[in-house]
Amino acid sequence: DAGVTQSPTHLIKTRGQQVTLRCSPISGHKSVSWYQQVLGQGPQFIFQYYEKEERGRGNFPDRFSARQFPNYSSELNVNALLLGDSALYLCASSSQRATGTSLQETQYFGPGTRLLVL
Amino acid sequence: DQQVKQNSPSLSVQEGRISILNCDYTNSMFDYFLWYKKYPAEGPTFLISISSIKDKNEDGRFTVFLNKSAKHLSLHIVPSQPGDSAVYFCAASQYNNNDMRFGAGTRLTVKP
Repeated sequence: DAGVTQSPTHLIKTRGQQVTLRCSPISGHKSVSWYQQVLGQGPQFIFQYYEKEERGRGNFPDRFSARQFPNYSSELNVNALLLGDSALYLCASSSQRATGTSLQETQYFGPGTRLLVL
Repeated sequence: DQQVKQNSPSLSVQEGRISILNCDYTNSMFDYFLWYKKYPAEGPTFLISISSIKDKNEDGRFTVFLNKSAKHLSLHIVPSQPGDSAVYFCAASQYNNNDMRFGAGTRLTVKP
C-alpha cells in the first residue's frame, strides 16, 4: 500500500510569490494535517482537514490556506512568501479526526516538500 | 510557547546498550503521547504511542514510559542497533484537539 505522498519534493521561490503544495493521504484515510518544520525544530501544526472541512488551525497567518478535495487529497497554499517560510512542509494523514470519545488516531507522515524562499 | 521539550539535542550510545530518550511537557491537558523517528530526506515515521491512562507501553525493543505527575515521558530502546540512528521526536496531543505538539528532537547515534 502506498503511504502518504507529497509533491513537489523540492521548490525554490522568491519573496512575494505564491506556492501550492500537494498531498495524497493513505488510501482510506479521511483526515489530512499540514505541518511546518524549520531547521532545528520539531514540526509545527498548521491545519487539519477532515471530510473537506477545516477542523483545526495552528498559529499561522492568513497567508496560509488549505483545502481538501472529495478524494481526500489536499493542497496547502502560501501567499506573499517570506524568507521565513523556508522550511520542510509535512503532510500527515489519519483515518479519522480525534474526538472526545475515541482513541486518538495516529498520524502518518509523507516525505515532505522542502521549500526555499530566496 | 514550547509545550513539549526535548532537552538533549543529541545522544550517542554503543550498539547493544540501552538508549534512553527523554521528553518533558508543560500542558496537563495532553493525554496522548507519541514518538516518531526521522531519517534524513524522509518524513517522521510513527514508532510508538501511549495514552495517559497507562504508564508503560512496549513494542518489541521499544518501550515508552509516562510519568504524569512529573509530566515526563521517556523512550527506551533495548538493545540499540546502528539502524536506530535517527532523529527522534516526542509529540503530544489532547483527545479533542487536532493540534499535535512536537519537541525539537534528539539525534540518536548508535555506534557499532
